[in-house]
Amino acid sequence: KQEVTQIPAALSVPEGENLVLNCSFTDSAIYNLQWFRQDPGKGLTSLLLIQSSQREQTSGRLNASLDKSSGRSTLYIAASQPGDSATYLCAVSPGNQFYFGTGTSLTVIP
Amino acid sequence: NAGVTQTPKFQVLKTGQSMTLQCAQDMNHEYMSWYRQDPGMGLRLIHYSVGAGITDQGEVPNGYNVSRSTTEDFPLRLLSAAPSQTSVYFCASSYDTYSYEQYFGPGTRLTVT
Repeated sequence: KQEVTQIPAALSVPEGENLVLNCSFTDSAIYNLQWFRQDPGKGLTSLLLIQSSQREQTSGRLNASLDKSSGRSTLYIAASQPGDSATYLCAVSPGNQFYFGTGTSLTVIP
Repeated sequence: NAGVTQTPKFQVLKTGQSMTLQCAQDMNHEYMSWYRQDPGMGLRLIHYSVGAGITDQGEVPNGYNVSRSTTEDFPLRLLSAAPSQTSVYFCASSYDTYSYEQYFGPGTRLTVT
């Protein structure tokens, strides 16, 4: 069974700092990896989708990379802002299902 | 374009009661799924469907039933509610799980007493 791990569970940084969130998965046979953002009491919002054949995807201040062979993905957030405070989750798809990590709770301090 | 909608937003049930959580999407997505989210456990897949008339079990299917009679709707039925089913339930949809991103509904917060 695919296991997805996100470390650290919580992260607190001052505004303006660049930061990296980590996601690792145990089975490299995946079709894609998706990063989500979840605000308290809300649903998940898709940030980036990386296909297994891709190495990275970018959207604004966000850049996600994928190293399938080592079972790792990183989400890089540039010039963090208080509005980036949320929980960030990654999910992998080996086929008909997505497997989620437990998330990293990010707090950006003004 | 409403995306993925879920009703109700909140629900309190007594042990043994049954209910249906509603999920609908207007994006013509073939794939739909139900997750539950519990503190420290992340999101766990309950059931999923790859198209109308086709459903399958996820990681935690016990105590839940689904059916998919149309592309748009994917209701989740709790047959006999138990306190262990207290959770936040999310519905999601996508064109497929291979090449397309998932879109999530706002969630239903269920408490079973």
